[in-house]
Amino acid sequence: EAQVTQNPRYLITVTGKKLTVTCSQNMNHEYMSWYRQDPGLGLRQIYYSMNVEVTDKGDVPEGYKVSRKEKRNFPLILESPSPNQTSLYFCASSIKRRDLDFLRSLLAKNIQYFGAGTRLSVL
Amino acid sequence: RKEVEQDPGPFNVPEGATVAFNCTYSNSASQSFFWYRQDCRKEPKLLMSVYSSGNEDGRFTAQLNRASQYISLLIRDSKLSDSATYLCVVKGGSQGNLIFGKGTKLSVKP
Repeated sequence: EAQVTQNPRYLITVTGKKLTVTCSQNMNHEYMSWYRQDPGLGLRQIYYSMNVEVTDKGDVPEGYKVSRKEKRNFPLILESPSPNQTSLYFCASSIKRRDLDFLRSLLAKNIQYFGAGTRLSVL
Repeated sequence: RKEVEQDPGPFNVPEGATVAFNCTYSNSASQSFFWYRQDCRKEPKLLMSVYSSGNEDGRFTAQLNRASQYISLLIRDSKLSDSATYLCVVKGGSQGNLIFGKGTKLSVKP
């Protein structure tokens, strides 16, 4: 089954204690991305990766790091979490963007797969 | 002007009603448009892509007006199970990343 798997699903931690949220996809997708979702602010992109060893900042990268050492994994690292990073986090993956139009022509149903989310609370 | 703007709602409608969501986007170079559905505390899931000519999928109709930079979603004969938040999504920016609206919440009541 095609899926994006995030772990953990729920995490409560304290300020300053480094943590990593893992994300793994089994669809051989090249593009992966992390979002955070906060009430009234919608989904905001943190970091994204176009391919292995290629990562770029999204709209809200401060306080986060990522790595893409292999295609299937895209962990999100919070070196020193702070309370303002309390949020719902989603990892997502999709095929290479230039293939999107081709897939749309095939009536592909799923442009971007999302993980089930990680609810993080930083005390 | 925000990149993707939606009426936050909530829209409270009775079963069987027709409801329309609107969305505007600021980047005229945007290439692709989508509607996603998100249930409470769940991940967003693609509902439908939006094509220039307009497209329909069962009770759902999506339309795009590039001149006005406006996207719409029409839901006919609303079901209780349609209750969710509907996200307008635009593929834009220099890297072609997906940009999400904040979502419009729909509650369908019996």
